[in-house]
Amino acid sequence: GAGVSQSPRYKVAKRGQDVALRCDPISGHVSLFWYQQALGQGPEFLTYFQNEAQLDKSGLPSDRFFAERPEGSVSTLKIQRTQQEDSAVYLCASSVTGTLVYGYTFGSGTRLTVV
Amino acid sequence: SQKIEQNSEALNIQEGKTATLTCNYTNYSPAYLQWYRQDPGRGPVFLLLIRENEKEKRKERLKVTFDTTLKQSLFHITASQPADSATYLCALRANFGNEKLTFGTGTRLTIIP
Repeated sequence: GAGVSQSPRYKVAKRGQDVALRCDPISGHVSLFWYQQALGQGPEFLTYFQNEAQLDKSGLPSDRFFAERPEGSVSTLKIQRTQQEDSAVYLCASSVTGTLVYGYTFGSGTRLTVV
Repeated sequence: SQKIEQNSEALNIQEGKTATLTCNYTNYSPAYLQWYRQDPGRGPVFLLLIRENEKEKRKERLKVTFDTTLKQSLFHITASQPADSATYLCALRANFGNEKLTFGTGTRLTIIP
């Protein structure tokens, strides 16, 4: 597609529920990133893939967070046993690997609210 | 510890004037620095990149400077328009070999007609 697509756009989860957030990157973009953005803050890095390889997951806040990109295109961020502090916007971005001259292309995000 | 600070949470500028936003960083030796624009309910949009060996970069009404001695980047919008109202984020890539960007907290810019 023309841009990075994320679904769902909004998600309300009850505390303790598992959620899965999907990201469709731009076709041909090898690198894919997940960020978490709290209200009024900048995006915080979660994890990064190059093709199907997860090269950096240093930003995942706990072992309840898990990301995968099994075929090197679509990625899923899964949060198990959601907590209220997980409420945030989750942004996915993709880029042409090897250079960031063109920056990241972000999706519009998934707003997760845990009640 | 590493830190990226954008020194104003909010900035109000009269239409037609130049808006100047500041990004300061500590304990980084960035390979380069990027600026993004974010509108409410949307993801950030890439605007400009400046490398560590570049002093200044321009694109239409936008200008970015990068001073690695002061550890500071300035982002200027000349002849500002109400449509320029948004949150502006700076981001650093610290290391070659890792494409991760670290973002500042952003400055919310409002251009007043």
